[in-house]
Amino acid sequence: DIQMTQSPSSLPASVGDRVTITCRASEDISTRLNWYQQKLGKAPRLLIYAASNLQGGVPSTFSGGGSGTEFTLTISSLQPEDVATYYCQQSYSTPPTFGQGTKLEI
Amino acid sequence: QLQLQESGPGLVKPSETLSLTCSVSGASVSSQADFWGWIRQPPGKGLEWIASMSSGGAAFYNPSLSSRVTMSVDTSRNRFSLRLNSVTAADTALYYCARHVAVGRGGECFDVWGQGTVVTASS
Repeated sequence: DIQMTQSPSSLPASVGDRVTITCRASEDISTRLNWYQQKLGKAPRLLIYAASNLQGGVPSTFSGGGSGTEFTLTISSLQPEDVATYYCQQSYSTPPTFGQGTKLEI
Repeated sequence: QLQLQESGPGLVKPSETLSLTCSVSGASVSSQADFWGWIRQPPGKGLEWIASMSSGGAAFYNPSLSSRVTMSVDTSRNRFSLRLNSVTAADTALYYCARHVAVGRGGECFDVWGQGTVVTASS
């Protein structure tokens, strides 16, 4: 299985901050990387697919980048409603695997 | 608007079979382009993909669970199901169903999720 490792595991930040979460894959996954946001007590929500494509309805403050083994999720200006745990997920090979999550706190 | 809703018993005894159903509204499970999947989340932990299946019968299972898992798709009722046998306490989790779709430039993602259902394996 491809291992996905996120850093940091938790991230304290302030409203208005630019925040970046990193996801590393144990092997080259091209751009087959998705990002999800999970708010407390809610189901995950797809934010970005194929590394850099914003899902419909997701604010433009979110962006994704990277290819190969290193990827980033950036929030350009943190808002209170962005408090959540963020997960990356690779779709390069079966089984699809998720990172362990990054808990974003304000 | 596509919506998914999980249902099933919240409590399963160890060694017995967990059975869950995901009812789909706003889209047809018969869509040739889509797969339908199950993902679980143990308490306080991350996400684990369990299985995905198309209405045409193509199924993919997580190798770590494949000996115990079966998925099915019921096009007449527009729903799909999961069976996990010989459950143990380690199967206690929040179980989500989701649409598993192909995206441009290759790859797939889970673009719509149900709200999840808690299953506890305990006597």
